[in-house]
Amino acid sequence: QSVLTQPPSASGTPGQRVTISCSGSSSNIGSNPVSWYQQLPGTAPKLLIYTDNQRPSGVPDRFSGSKSGTSVSLAISGLQSEDEADYYCASWDDSLNAVVFGGGTKLTVL
Amino acid sequence: QVQLVQSGAEVKKPGSSVKVSCKASGGTFSSFPINWVRQAPGQGLEWMGRIIPILDIANYAQKFQGRVTITADKSTSTAYLELSSLRSEDTALYYCARTTSRSFDIWGQGTMVTVS
Repeated sequence: QSVLTQPPSASGTPGQRVTISCSGSSSNIGSNPVSWYQQLPGTAPKLLIYTDNQRPSGVPDRFSGSKSGTSVSLAISGLQSEDEADYYCASWDDSLNAVVFGGGTKLTVL
Repeated sequence: QVQLVQSGAEVKKPGSSVKVSCKASGGTFSSFPINWVRQAPGQGLEWMGRIIPILDIANYAQKFQGRVTITADKSTSTAYLELSSLRSEDTALYYCARTTSRSFDIWGQGTMVTVS
């Protein structure tokens, strides 16, 4: 059971906007920055969003992050077939003194 | 641009140990924490611990305390993960990843460790 909770799956059609949620607690998301990772099949994870809503250079602005209290969301607009991947949220947990991940959300582009 | 290149796949017997390496090239190694994250087949990501090479300080997830050792050799820009008392549940892909801005911005390609 993961410390951060994500829906196991999400789906959308090309061009649509999809949102993936990640909920935690005051010891992690509520007091620390969150990052998001995209993992394409058979590859290492790739940083998509850091410090809740910042995009590294090279990440399209179709990807955006937001935070409210102890929950965060990743939004993908203008969905494309190449966005089909697993998405993970992560944050530091002050009680566990550890980085904690969500269980991952498998995004399917229909 | 920094790249992290990991050692090759390993097959180990239960009860033995494994040591995986992660060599940084193309940039500064010592200033940034290097983390180890594992992924069991078909499962999610799990943080194991990290080291700050310039300080030679490591900390570990409680789950792995006593079984894991993370070290770094600044002279060769290489970080190491050693996991002992291996069991079948340790079969996984092991990734190293650099921390900047409280996130993992650069990842190694992964090292498959099979315990059988």
